[in-house]
Amino acid sequence: AQKITQTQPGMFVQEKEAVTLDCTYDTSDPSYGLFWYKQPSSGEMIFLIYQGSYDQQNATEGRYSLNFQKARKSANLVISASQLGDSAMYFCAMKNSGYALNFGKGTSLLVTP
Amino acid sequence: DTAVSQTPKYLVTQMENDKSIKCEQNLGHDTMYWYKQDSKKFLKIMFSYNNKELIINETVPNRFSPKSPDKAHLNLHINSLELGDSAVYFCASSQGAGGYVIEQFFGPGTRLTVL
Repeated sequence: AQKITQTQPGMFVQEKEAVTLDCTYDTSDPSYGLFWYKQPSSGEMIFLIYQGSYDQQNATEGRYSLNFQKARKSANLVISASQLGDSAMYFCAMKNSGYALNFGKGTSLLVTP
Repeated sequence: DTAVSQTPKYLVTQMENDKSIKCEQNLGHDTMYWYKQDSKKFLKIMFSYNNKELIINETVPNRFSPKSPDKAHLNLHINSLELGDSAVYFCASSQGAGGYVIEQFFGPGTRLTVL
């Protein structure tokens, strides 16, 4: 069975600072993908970044990077130079050979001026 | 152009009513999903269709029935609504279903409130 754990229910960060959102996972499948989604207060789910289990390098997308530590089964999201608009819920999710995304419980990020 | 659209965005109804939520995607994807987000923001898969065939049917009450008339549409019908059905329902789509590299694109969500 798959499991995604996000241990930080809420985080604060000051504008322009970097922040790391934690995600650990558990799966027995050697092939899997890890995804991060952002859900602002408006409610939509926005895809941010993807990391495959066989990818040698950490994924990066603009200010987002994924700190992938396979041996530790962690896939932390790093947001650099935080902006007020980054305030949102952030969800880590995993997909293997099954059909659905399995989500963590999310982390609420608040960026302060 | 909206990639994955859902109607309605908000749905307020009385207990025991029957309601439907519609989803359409214009991405040419062959797989569509329904997820439920509860009051604690937890997202969980409910159903998935691949090429109009049901491939995921999680433990969901029989009152929920998905229907996929074609690859671009996936509707969710709910009979005899209960208070506990209040949630946000997300439709999503992807090209392919079984691989691990497949990104899912989400609709804007439908907030269902049962009074």
